[in-house]
Amino acid sequence: QSALTQPASVSGSPGQSIAISCTGTSSDIGADKYVSWYQQHPGKVPKLMIYEVNDRPAGVSDRFSGSKSGNTASLTISGLQAEDEADYYCSSYTTSTTQIFGGGTKLTVL
Amino acid sequence: QVQLQESGPGLVKPSETLSLTCTVSGGSMRDYFWTWIRQPPGKGLEWIGYIFYSGGTSYSPSLQSRVSISADTSKNQFSLKLKSVTAADTAVYYCARGRSGNDYWGQGTLVTVPS
Repeated sequence: QSALTQPASVSGSPGQSIAISCTGTSSDIGADKYVSWYQQHPGKVPKLMIYEVNDRPAGVSDRFSGSKSGNTASLTISGLQAEDEADYYCSSYTTSTTQIFGGGTKLTVL
Repeated sequence: QVQLQESGPGLVKPSETLSLTCTVSGGSMRDYFWTWIRQPPGKGLEWIGYIFYSGGTSYSPSLQSRVSISADTSKNQFSLKLKSVTAADTAVYYCARGRSGNDYWGQGTLVTVPS
């Protein structure tokens, strides 16, 4: 199975909105609702930000939202803040009952 | 509050078997999937595999021939074994809860395989 495809980097200014895309296939992202997103600050443990395409765990800011269209999922961060600068990874469950991650996107807050 | 903690050797010789254990506290293993994920230095996350509390497993196709995951629910632990390691297996190894939304993670443990 190949990794999901994410842009290597995205950037935005404080207060702006950005979106990170995650492209897979009909065997993973396109197959069901099991897409999740993780935030990882340098040297830290990944943190679940979105699960099942667009649900947020308790405690995650509503500035983070998820969506999916066909084989592509997206994470949108609105009202960008300096603390949002981190690496972001998408993940999907697959029809082979495995899990797969994207290559990661480095978000820079200008 | 559920907590996970990885334990095991930080250095494994080439061709030997990497063995790690994850201890779950603050909750039961029942009804959940338990996952191993790794991250080579400076690189992205790689899914290794998971086990359901009752014993069913699934592994990464690229690692399937070398990996096994087991669980001991009486001890609230699950374990990873990776055979015939090489320098390419050097990574921070994380244990986590869940299969398609990993909500709790261990702190991670760096395992080094010298070249």
